[in-house]
Amino acid sequence: DIQMTQSPSSVSASVGDRVTITCRASQHISSWLAWYQQKPGKAPKLLIFAASNLHSGVPSRFSGSGSGTEFTLTIASLQPEDFATYYCQQANSFPYSFGQGTKLEIK
Amino acid sequence: EVELLESGGGLVQRGGSLRLSCAASGFTFRNYAMSWVRQAPGKGLEWVSSISGPGDSTYYTDSVKGRFSISRDNSKNTLYVQMNRLRAEDSAVYYCATDPMTADAFDIWGQGTVVTVSS
Repeated sequence: DIQMTQSPSSVSASVGDRVTITCRASQHISSWLAWYQQKPGKAPKLLIFAASNLHSGVPSRFSGSGSGTEFTLTIASLQPEDFATYYCQQANSFPYSFGQGTKLEIK
Repeated sequence: EVELLESGGGLVQRGGSLRLSCAASGFTFRNYAMSWVRQAPGKGLEWVSSISGPGDSTYYTDSVKGRFSISRDNSKNTLYVQMNRLRAEDSAVYYCATDPMTADAFDIWGQGTVVTVSS
């Protein structure tokens, strides 16, 4: 089974900051990686699919990169609505798996 | 509008059973794999199970194998999961999800249904 490890587990940042979250896969997953944003009490929302493709309607300040085993999600200039928890997920093979999450908090 | 609507959650005793449903609308249901993802209170997301569009292939996380059964009725545009021998650790919000827009990521999610297993 493929394990997904995110870092950091939490990060404090200010509006306007640039933030990068890393996700590592325990095996090669090509570009079969997605990033989600989740706010308390809500279902997750897809941000990035296939490692670097911005989902429809997602602001361009979000970007994804990487392939193989190492991936990053970058938020170029944090906005107040970006404070949330972010998850990576591999769709290379079953069983699918999520990272443990990164909580982005206001500094 | 593409929509998924879960139902069937509730309070059940340890060892009991529950069937969750997910009604889909706004896309050609039979063409897309469907999945269940859960989230225990205060915890992260956990993929539970997936089923292919025709329903002939199913996949499960190890912790639910032999206890949960995913199925679908393409004539009713509805996804199901039958959950048996429930454990306290199965308590979670259960989301159904699918990928009609991206084909490889969960781009549509339901609002979730809460399952609580009492011990």
